[in-house]
Amino acid sequence: GQSLEQPSEVTAVEGAIVQINCTYQTSGFYGLSWYQQHDGGAPTFLSYNALDGLEETGRFSSFLSRSDSYGYLLLQELQMKDSASYFCAVRDLKSNSGYALNFGKGTSLLVTP
Amino acid sequence: DAGITQSPRHKVTETGTPVTLRCHQTENHRYMYWYRQDPGHGLRLIHYSYGVKDTDKGEVSDGYSVSRSKTEDFLLTLESATSSQTSVYFCAISAGTGELGYGYTFGSGTRLTVV
Repeated sequence: GQSLEQPSEVTAVEGAIVQINCTYQTSGFYGLSWYQQHDGGAPTFLSYNALDGLEETGRFSSFLSRSDSYGYLLLQELQMKDSASYFCAVRDLKSNSGYALNFGKGTSLLVTP
Repeated sequence: DAGITQSPRHKVTETGTPVTLRCHQTENHRYMYWYRQDPGHGLRLIHYSYGVKDTDKGEVSDGYSVSRSKTEDFLLTLESATSSQTSVYFCAISAGTGELGYGYTFGSGTRLTVV
C-alpha cells in the first residue's frame, strides 16, 4: 500500500514564499508530481521530480529527497491567483494500479493581501 | 481545444438507476483514468485504462464499471447509483505512465448528484 501526507491548509501573505510539504510511503516509487486545482476547476500539472534535488519552473520549484521519502513545492512571490489546492501524487510501481497516480488529500493555500 | 471533454457536466439521478459518464479525448493518448473527488478525500482512482479494452481497478472501484472500445472514449458506468456516489468525477489522460514526467491532463469534471 501507499500513503501520502500533506498539510490540509496553509495561509501566506501576498509576495511571500510558502512551502508545501509531502511525505509518502510506497512499496515501489517512481517520481513525485504536483498538481494545482482552483475552486471549481480541474487539476493541472505543475511539476515532476524523479531524481533528488530541486526543479525550478518560474515562481514554482519542487524538491525531492528519495532517501527521506519527502518532497515539497515552493511557491515564491505569491500572488492572489495562487490561492488554490495543491496535490502531491506518486506512482507506486508495485501496486495493483501501478500505471496510475495516487494523490494526496491536498493542501488548501490561501494567499492574503 | 482542451483535447479532453467530459459529458455530461452536471447530472442529477435517482438512487438505483444506472448512469454512464463519458470521457472523450482527441490526443490519441494511451492512458485514461477515472477519479472521484470528495471533500477531505482528495482524488481517488476508480478505474484506469492502458489501452483499448485494457482496463483495471483502482482503490474505489466497487459499484463502477468501465469500457474502452476506442482509443478516444472511456466510459464510466455506475451500475445502480447510490447516494454515496454523489461526487465530482474527473477523467484524465496521459501520454505515458510517468517515466518521463508525463503529466495528466484532466477534463473539466462531471458533478453527479444521486437523490
